[in-house]
Amino acid sequence: GQNIDQPTEMTATEGAIVQINCTYQTSGFNGLFWYQQHAGEAPTFLSYNVLDGLEEKGRFSSFLSRSKGYSYLLLKELQMKDSASYLCAVSPGNTPLVFGKGTRLSVIA
Amino acid sequence: SQTIHQWPATLVQPVGSPLSLECTVEGTSNPNLYWYRQAAGRGLQLLFYSVGIGQISSEVPQNLSASRPQDRQFILSSKKLLLSDSGFYLCAWSAGSYGYTFGSGTRLTVV
Repeated sequence: GQNIDQPTEMTATEGAIVQINCTYQTSGFNGLFWYQQHAGEAPTFLSYNVLDGLEEKGRFSSFLSRSKGYSYLLLKELQMKDSASYLCAVSPGNTPLVFGKGTRLSVIA
Repeated sequence: SQTIHQWPATLVQPVGSPLSLECTVEGTSNPNLYWYRQAAGRGLQLLFYSVGIGQISSEVPQNLSASRPQDRQFILSSKKLLLSDSGFYLCAWSAGSYGYTFGSGTRLTVV
């Protein structure tokens, strides 16, 4: 079966750092994606990891450990506009992406 | 560059009425195409996907259907809408097993 787990909700303070974890169990692995989805809008691509390690892109970083079936998204210097849902998704290979249910992040002043 | 168009943005339909949502992709050939539904506050549910013209894979049995009459056109349909069909419908495309690009979505309310 395919399963992706991530926390349902998180709250963090403006200017702080927050880490959103994702664990997965899938029949295959061809990469892990993070998407950002603001309320009422479509998801937009944030990051892609296929090898172990950290990928940094500005204030956002994503980490992958394939042996542990684990990833996290790190958001630094949080801004109010970062309040959104963050979706973890895994590509099992030749089948569609498997999405987690998303983590709703609220950034407070 | 590739773009994806999805319409309409919002739709209010009575129970029992038909539905047709359209999605088109520009700037690429033979994309993989997907229809997702997202209920309020919930995750993405894959409804259909297609890897080529006339080829449709259904993930969830229900009163919805999908068609791909042209390489870059994907249509979601229903003959008779149910209240439970309300939700946010998203079309997406990908090149092979790479990440998806989503359309802007259609918010459907069945009344």
